[in-house]
Amino acid sequence: TQLLEQSPQFLSIQEGENLTVYCNSSSVFSSLQWYRQEPGEGPVLLVTVVTGGEVKKLKRLTFQFGDARKDSSLHITAAQPGDTGLYLCAGYAGGTSYGKLTFGQGTILTVHP
Amino acid sequence: DTGVSQDPRHKITKRGQNVTFRCDPISEHNRLYWYRQTLGQGPEFLTYFQNEAQLEKSRLLSDRFSAERPKGSFSTLEIQRTEQGDSAMYLCASSLAGSGYNEQFFGPGTRLTVL
Repeated sequence: TQLLEQSPQFLSIQEGENLTVYCNSSSVFSSLQWYRQEPGEGPVLLVTVVTGGEVKKLKRLTFQFGDARKDSSLHITAAQPGDTGLYLCAGYAGGTSYGKLTFGQGTILTVHP
Repeated sequence: DTGVSQDPRHKITKRGQNVTFRCDPISEHNRLYWYRQTLGQGPEFLTYFQNEAQLEKSRLLSDRFSAERPKGSFSTLEIQRTEQGDSAMYLCASSLAGSGYNEQFFGPGTRLTVL
């Protein structure tokens, strides 16, 4: 069974601060996706990383895939209240997994004005 | 059609009743997934369709759960004899086979409350 450990579980910061969320596994993933979810809504895809060592930037968000494709991180620069939400990492194992995603537990981010 | 839609958005039922949820995927997507999410957790995989074929079911999907995708378009998830432990958000996602990285796009979910 593949597991994704996401940390921290909760983050409460002030506007303008930087933060990093980590997603770790002992398993290799073909790709890893990051989602953001608002209360009462479904997850919204932010980015997919597929190559070991890959770095992708989305405005103030920087996503990195570990060299061994077992871990990933999300870094937010100068956080804003609009960044508040649940951040989820999800791994796709490929092969016979039929495309199902394995999700981490999520990180609840609160950015205070 | 700009995204995955789910109906209803909220369902409150009494223990022992049957409920059915519907999911309409992105029109050109041939893969469809159901996940369940409880408060404070990430979604957990329930089942997967490619076109009309149900190719995988999680052990989480007890005999009281059944899913169909009769024409390879919309899908339904039925829960029979609901229990309080079934209370959760039920999420549907779709993707396009062969698109490379199996990026999945989620609907808004159906929030089920079993009293």
